[in-house]
Amino acid sequence: GAVVSQHPSWVICKSGTSVKIECRSLDFQATTMFWYRQFPKQSLMLMATSNEGSKATYEQGVEKDKFLINHASLTLSTLTVTSAHPEDSSFYICSARDPFGGSYEQYFGPGTRLTVT
Amino acid sequence: AQKVTQAQTEISVVEKEDVTLDCVYETRDTTYYLFWYKQPPSGELVFLIRRNSFDEQNEISGRYSWNFQKSTSSFNFTITASQVVDSAVYFCALWMTTDSWGKLQFGAGTQVVVTP
Repeated sequence: GAVVSQHPSWVICKSGTSVKIECRSLDFQATTMFWYRQFPKQSLMLMATSNEGSKATYEQGVEKDKFLINHASLTLSTLTVTSAHPEDSSFYICSARDPFGGSYEQYFGPGTRLTVT
Repeated sequence: AQKVTQAQTEISVVEKEDVTLDCVYETRDTTYYLFWYKQPPSGELVFLIRRNSFDEQNEISGRYSWNFQKSTSSFNFTITASQVVDSAVYFCALWMTTDSWGKLQFGAGTQVVVTP
């Protein structure tokens, strides 16, 4: 099956710094990738939809200037949390749409656990 | 509104007991897709099943079974003869086609705890 990787798997950063999370589709090209955030004991919430070569579409309430998404190639999307604060500590999960499946087919990465101190 | 409701926050069972997880959805779409995912403590989502709105047949896969009933907008999931490895959070999700590329709406999740 299709594989999606994320790097790093966990990161600790200091308040005020920025951190970049990578999402890669390893054996297929993904024109669309999704970024989710999951706080402890809560559900996954979609943050944004990323399309290769165009600007990301952010969900209501997600600050686009704080969560920068770049989808520069068909196999890589990055999420940069700028000026991170402790409230940004969360589990960030990406997924990539299967280009050969239905629009609903997506493969999830293993997630990145961000802790801001 | 389109949403997914998992009313059970946590279910605790003893190994070998059966456990049923409820999922009720709401959508205006005539074509839609429902999913179940398992999230073990590691955090990685594990895909379990996808069902489209036109296929109401129940499905069984090993110890897992799903009951899809459009009349009650429910897509319930049963684990038969539960095992400790089944301990995880289980999410029901609805694929919504509200825009050109759609998105997944997750329920709140149900924590299943299986004790030996």
